[in-house]
Amino acid sequence: SAVISQKPSRDICQRGTSLTIQCQVDSQVTMMFWYRQQPGQSLTLIATANQGSEATYESGFVIDKFPISRPNLTFSTLTVSNMSPEDSSIYLCSVTDGRTDTQYFGPGTRLTVL
Amino acid sequence: TQLLEQSPQFLSIQEGENLTVYCNSSSVFSSLQWYRQEPGEGPVLLVTVVTGGEVKKLKRLTFQFGDARKDSSLHITAAQPGDTGLYLCALIKAAGNKLTFGGGTRVLVKP
Repeated sequence: SAVISQKPSRDICQRGTSLTIQCQVDSQVTMMFWYRQQPGQSLTLIATANQGSEATYESGFVIDKFPISRPNLTFSTLTVSNMSPEDSSIYLCSVTDGRTDTQYFGPGTRLTVL
Repeated sequence: TQLLEQSPQFLSIQEGENLTVYCNSSSVFSSLQWYRQEPGEGPVLLVTVVTGGEVKKLKRLTFQFGDARKDSSLHITAAQPGDTGLYLCALIKAAGNKLTFGGGTRVLVKP
């Protein structure tokens, strides 16, 4: 299994500012993902964070809005840039256990943009 | 149009009652997963179903995968308040292990 922590757990931000969310895993993993969960909704994949190369973004998400870093095999950050109230969501990171193909999720970061 | 349709969207029942959640698609799945998410937490994997017609049991939870591998169901027997949560079905995109989630079913079990 993998234990994932995220910082911050929650934040309230002003429109136009940016927030960087950190994701730390207790073991080295190849695949790390970032998801968004809008209020009362399901999860939508934002991007795959690749170590040593640029992140791969899903349709509807762009690097300028959601820059991602992956400096090593245990850590990643997601920045939500130039925030608007529509960005208010829970942001979750996840990793895949390569041996079992099981995905583990962090507890999420609850973002409110005023 | 969502790839995975879940129904119902919301279910409120009394403790001890049974419930069933459905996950459907017009496409054939290679495999499907069920997750439960509790408030303030990330989703936790309950089961992966792979074979058409497969039935898996996890205590009071029974998971079925349709024969044609286009639908799945989750049945909870004698629900308890601890079963309260958001139940999500998800497809695994084989290339890269990316997940596509259904819309979710919010279950509330009242004591």
